[in-house]
Amino acid sequence: AQSVTQLGSHVSVSEGALVLLRCNYSSSVPPYLFWYVQYPNQGLQLLLKYTSAATLVKGINGFEAEFKKSETSFHLTKPSAHMSDAAEYFCAVSVRDYKLSFGAGTTVTVRA
Amino acid sequence: DVKVTQSSRYLVKRTGEKVFLECVQDMDHENMFWYRQDPGLGLRLIYFSYDVKMKEKGDIPEGYSVSREKKERFSLILESASTNQTSMYLCASRVRGAQPQHFGDGTRLSIL
Repeated sequence: AQSVTQLGSHVSVSEGALVLLRCNYSSSVPPYLFWYVQYPNQGLQLLLKYTSAATLVKGINGFEAEFKKSETSFHLTKPSAHMSDAAEYFCAVSVRDYKLSFGAGTTVTVRA
Repeated sequence: DVKVTQSSRYLVKRTGEKVFLECVQDMDHENMFWYRQDPGLGLRLIYFSYDVKMKEKGDIPEGYSVSREKKERFSLILESASTNQTSMYLCASRVRGAQPQHFGDGTRLSIL
């Protein structure tokens, strides 16, 4: 079975600083990988997905993620944080049966 | 645009009650899912449905059942609500296979 580990349950960044959220997965077969964002009192919104094409994936709102097979990682980055990026972020993986397994989530706060 | 609608944003019920959570999608998606979300645990899959009248257990099905009589509607049923089922419940749908899931805004359920 696949699993997902998000390093750090809370991340605090200054406005304009780099946002880096870490995600490592375990899977015995090539996975599909996703990042979702959840704003307060809302459902999850897809940021980006990796489906075995380019290893660097660009998403919405200036986010991107890089798939590194050797490190089993799929870290999410944004060069310059904005106040509107304050939210909870979830990494998710699916393999053959296409069910999603989610990480525990990382809450991002942005300091002015 | 994709729309997944959950019938209630907030719900308060008493222990022992039978509780129905409703989810409707308007994209003609084949697959639908029910998750519960708890702090520090991420999202955990309760049940999913690949197509009408089809259902499969997820990771935490105990105490829950589901119904999918029409393609657009997927109901989650708490047969006899207990306090440990107090949680945020999220519904999702997708076309099929490895495509991204689209989420509703969630139902925050409190069992007293």
